[in-house]
Amino acid sequence: DVKVTQSSRYLVKRTGEKVFLECVQDMDHENMFWYRQDPGLGLRLIYFSYDVKMKEKGDIPEGYSVSREKKERFSLILESASTNQTSMYLCASSLPGRPQFFGPGTRLTVL
Amino acid sequence: GESVGLHLPTLSVQEGDNSIINCAYSNSASDYFIWYKQESGKGPQFIIDIRSNMDKRQGQRVTVLLNKTVKHLSLQIAATQPGDSAVYFCAEILNGGATNKLIFGTGTLLAVQP
Repeated sequence: DVKVTQSSRYLVKRTGEKVFLECVQDMDHENMFWYRQDPGLGLRLIYFSYDVKMKEKGDIPEGYSVSREKKERFSLILESASTNQTSMYLCASSLPGRPQFFGPGTRLTVL
Repeated sequence: GESVGLHLPTLSVQEGDNSIINCAYSNSASDYFIWYKQESGKGPQFIIDIRSNMDKRQGQRVTVLLNKTVKHLSLQIAATQPGDSAVYFCAEILNGGATNKLIFGTGTLLAVQP
């Protein structure tokens, strides 16, 4: 079975803090993705990566950056957290042309 | 915390009945479609997929139907069980590209009544 793990299920941070969300997949997938999910807005793509050290902006990249130094790991970074970044963050991975598999999510609250 | 199910259309069915969840997709150039199930507090879970060269695909207790003429996708769940209660999303991929960017539908909340 594909396994996508995220470093935290729940996280509480203060405004202005730097936040790291980590995602690891164990199926040697080329593609990895970060989404945020908010009620009424659905799933929105923040960034994705189709290879090590490669990244592309999704639909809402502002306020976020990413890092992919190893194939299995894709990190989402909030340089200076703000309250409007309170959300559920979901990581996913896939092979090219195949379905994305999602992690359990990290519910981030920024106070 | 707030549920992903807020603000969504809801389908309420009796346990044991068949469920049909519908989805209209946006782009006639999309050639690959996926259904996901998301239970409260969890990430979306892959259920079944279908490519545009097919109009029907069956899995275990689930069937996906694709009507390209009207850009419509449906998920049929046979003998619905309480464990099927969740939000169901359809997703489309444009041109099946290597980067696999998904376009998600808004989702339907399936509520199974015992």
